Amino acid sequence: NAGVTQTPKFQVLKTGQSMTLQCAQDMNHNSMYWYRQDPGMGLRLIYYSASEGTTDKGEVPNGYNVSRLNKREFSLRLESAAPSQTSVYFCASSQMDRVGNEQFFGPGTRLTVL
Amino acid sequence: AQSVTQLGSHVSVSEGALVLLRCNYSSSVPPYLFWYVQYPNQGLQLLLKYTSAATLVKGINGFEAEFKKSETSFHLTKPSAHMSDAAEYFCAVSNSGGYQKVTFGIGTKLQVIP
Repeated sequence: NAGVTQTPKFQVLKTGQSMTLQCAQDMNHNSMYWYRQDPGMGLRLIYYSASEGTTDKGEVPNGYNVSRLNKREFSLRLESAAPSQTSVYFCASSQMDRVGNEQFFGPGTRLTVL
Repeated sequence: AQSVTQLGSHVSVSEGALVLLRCNYSSSVPPYLFWYVQYPNQGLQLLLKYTSAATLVKGINGFEAEFKKSETSFHLTKPSAHMSDAAEYFCAVSNSGGYQKVTFGIGTKLQVIP
């Protein structure tokens, strides 16, 4: 089992460019999440998908869109990148049938916007 | 509303010394509490979790944490630090509703001095 995979690992964009971060999990989890990690701010939730076919905004959704393509895949899109979106992005998944289940994280995508 | 406060963004200990990382939580309902560890350039992985079964929780790599309701604390300890424990540690709290929204602390970087 690969767990949670993310592509790409690194990306450099110019202001105004767009890109999609890909995430896939092979654990048959219902719920998937996108976080950003910035120094001194911990992890902040961008969007989440409680189950296939549903998506909801998290704490910092502005400038992002998501697609829950199927149960396995959850992508994050930056339509017009800004320097403030320079960050490390993590995808995570969890099983929602029991509260208190842990989240499993991917290795992250390090994004720089110039 | 739920939140966690991690006291000390950086902690240094000598190899072999006690590790104590502090976490206080705020939650309007009985919480589920987690400690995650992040090694350099990796995603987060679960160290341990509290889900009301026992107040003293043992995790991987010799870590443990004690839930103290009266102090709203969930401090992480390890009797003897090892060089391999150098990492960033995140405390997190989850609600008890249907959707598992997890709120992370800002993280504590642990440095182990030889």
